[in-house]
Amino acid sequence: AQSVTQPDIHITVSEGASLELRCNYSYGATPYLFWYVQSPGQGLQLLLKYFSGDTLVQGIKGFEAEFKRSQSSFNLRKPSVHWSDAAEYFCAVGARTNAGKSTFGDGTTLTVKP
Amino acid sequence: NAGVMQNPRHLVRRRGQEARLRCSPMKGHSHVYWYRQLPEEGLKFMVYLQKENIIDESGMPKERFSAEFPKEGPSILRIQQVVRGDSAAYFCASSPAHHQETQYFGPGTRLLVL
Repeated sequence: AQSVTQPDIHITVSEGASLELRCNYSYGATPYLFWYVQSPGQGLQLLLKYFSGDTLVQGIKGFEAEFKRSQSSFNLRKPSVHWSDAAEYFCAVGARTNAGKSTFGDGTTLTVKP
Repeated sequence: NAGVMQNPRHLVRRRGQEARLRCSPMKGHSHVYWYRQLPEEGLKFMVYLQKENIIDESGMPKERFSAEFPKEGPSILRIQQVVRGDSAAYFCASSPAHHQETQYFGPGTRLLVL
């Protein structure tokens, strides 16, 4: 069975500082990997996704993520955080044999200090 | 092209009543997924439907919950005899037939059971 772990429940960074949100997954083969962002009371917006090829994936809003097979990780990064990035971030894994059924981590809440 | 639409956005029910949640997928999308998000948790897969067919309902509670996606009209998630533990945000996502791995999420329905 596939699973996702986001080790950090809550992260606080200063505006302009760099950000890295951790995501570890468990899956028997190479999965589909996703990062979503959720603002309070809103739905999920897809930031980026990895299917195959280049392991460094660029997304919207200046985010990127790197797939590391040896570490079963797909960490999300941003070089300079903006106050509007404060939100909850979810990592998700989708099975290639059943791509419609995504498994989500419990999320990381990002607070941005002025 | 309108995104995934869900209604109502907020729903209040008393214990024992029925809740009906509607999801209209994006135009051209024939795959619909329902997820539930409990407070302080990530999204949990419930059910995956194509037009007139339930493909995977492994995440659906065995009783009181049902889902359909008729040939015409929106997908419906139905919860009979609601209990307080059903209070959650319910998200619908849709995907096109040939890119099932990329899901687009609606804004969610927040159900409160009194």
